[in-house]
Amino acid sequence: QVQLQESGPGLVTPSQNLSLTCTVSGTSISSGGYSWSWIRQHPGKGLEWIGYISYTGKTSYNPSLRSRIHMSVDPSNYHFSLRLSSVTAADTALYYCARVGFSSRSGSYSFFDYWGQGTLVTVSS
Amino acid sequence: IVMTQSPLSLPVTPGEPASISCRSSQSLLHSNGYNYVDWYLQKPGQSPQLLIYLGSYRASGVPDRFSGSGSGTDFTLQISRVEAEDVGVYYCMEALQTFTFGPGTKVDIK
Repeated sequence: QVQLQESGPGLVTPSQNLSLTCTVSGTSISSGGYSWSWIRQHPGKGLEWIGYISYTGKTSYNPSLRSRIHMSVDPSNYHFSLRLSSVTAADTALYYCARVGFSSRSGSYSFFDYWGQGTLVTVSS
Repeated sequence: IVMTQSPLSLPVTPGEPASISCRSSQSLLHSNGYNYVDWYLQKPGQSPQLLIYLGSYRASGVPDRFSGSGSGTDFTLQISRVEAEDVGVYYCMEALQTFTFGPGTKVDIK
C-alpha cells in the first residue's frame, strides 16, 4: 500500500524559508514513472496545487508561486521536498504531498491518487 | 482556468440522490478525447480522496453509487443514493493545465 508522510517545522518565521519533506513508502519513487506533488489548504479554505516533480527531477510549478518554489527529489531515500522562500502569513496552511497518478486510458498523468495526512505550517513571528 | 461549483452547500437525505455541478472557464476536453476533470471528497478531518478521474472513471475502491459525467466545460458528480459516510466537501479539479480546484461543495445530512 502506497503511503506518504509529510514532515517539517510547524512554525516558520516571516521572510524565512519553509522546507518540507514527503517520505514515500510502499513503492519506489522511481517506479512507474510517477510524479510527486505538493498541495496546500489554507485554514477553512479550498485546495491549491503548488507543483510537482518527476522522479527524474523535472518540475512544474503553480505560476502564482513559481518565483518562490523549489522542489527536489531523492529517489534513493524515498523522499521528495519542497522549499518555499520568503514566506508570509498568507503561506499558513495545511500542506499535503500526493502522488500524481497515471491513467493507461489516456496515457497521461492527471489525478492525485495517494495523499499524505498533511502537515500544518504556521507563519508567525 | 477557473473552476466553479454549485451548489456550495448541499443538505442531503440518506437514500436519496444528490448531484453537484462543476463548470470550467475553458474546455477540459483534450485532443485525445478525454475530459481532464477529477472529483475528490474530503471527509471531515481527512485528506482528500480521489473519486472520479478523466470525467467519468471511478477510482479504485470507489462505490458505484458515485458517477461522473459531462464534457467540455460542464460536469456533474452524481450520488445515486447518499449514505451517511458521504458527508464532506466535494471538489472538482481540472488536470489539463495547472490542477486548479473548484471552491468545494459541502455535503451534510439534513
